[in-house]
Amino acid sequence: GAVVSQHPSRVICKSGTSVKIECRSLDFQATTMFWYRQFPKQSLMLMATSNEGSKATYEQGVEKDKFLINHASLTLSTLTVTSAHPEDSSFYICSARGTIYNEQFFGPGTRLTVL
Amino acid sequence: GDSVTQMEGPVTLSEEAFLTINCTYTATGYPSLFWYVQYPGEGLQLLLKATKADDKGSNKGFEATYRKETTSFHLEKGSVQVSDSAVYFCALSDQGAGGTSYGKLTFGQGTILTVHP
Repeated sequence: GAVVSQHPSRVICKSGTSVKIECRSLDFQATTMFWYRQFPKQSLMLMATSNEGSKATYEQGVEKDKFLINHASLTLSTLTVTSAHPEDSSFYICSARGTIYNEQFFGPGTRLTVL
Repeated sequence: GDSVTQMEGPVTLSEEAFLTINCTYTATGYPSLFWYVQYPGEGLQLLLKATKADDKGSNKGFEATYRKETTSFHLEKGSVQVSDSAVYFCALSDQGAGGTSYGKLTFGQGTILTVHP
């Protein structure tokens, strides 16, 4: 199967700073990438869907100015949490879908802790 | 909106025991249904899927049948192994045709399974 990586796996930052999380498809071209958020003992919640070269589509209730998503190439999407606050602490997971593989492949996730 | 409800865990079993993890869903239209597994330190992996009523998905000894009349997709395995210890997620896609998970996925809350030797 296809491989999706995320970097960093863990990040700790101070309140008010911005954090960038990368999601890469390592061996396929990802035309669509998805960003999820997972709280402890809760389900994955879709935050946004991004198609390469287009603006991301955000789910209801997700602040697009706070969670900036860029999908500038077929192998890389980034999620930037701007002016992070403790309530943004969570586990962020990306997935990628290409034209060859008809399924989403998930990254291992990034644990964000905002102090 | 669409929703998925899984049985609460954690589930702890001895090796070779029978496993059932219940999953029910609410959706408009005809969703595709999926089970994903997340092993420690790894990303979610597709375990099995079913695209229409009465379809049975199977993989690695796991099975689940798409039951439209009961809106359920329960995961079963006849004899679990220690290596099956993981978190299991039931999910549905709002784009039912074709069996792909390219549409939006709605996940259940996940069930932690621990299998002891």
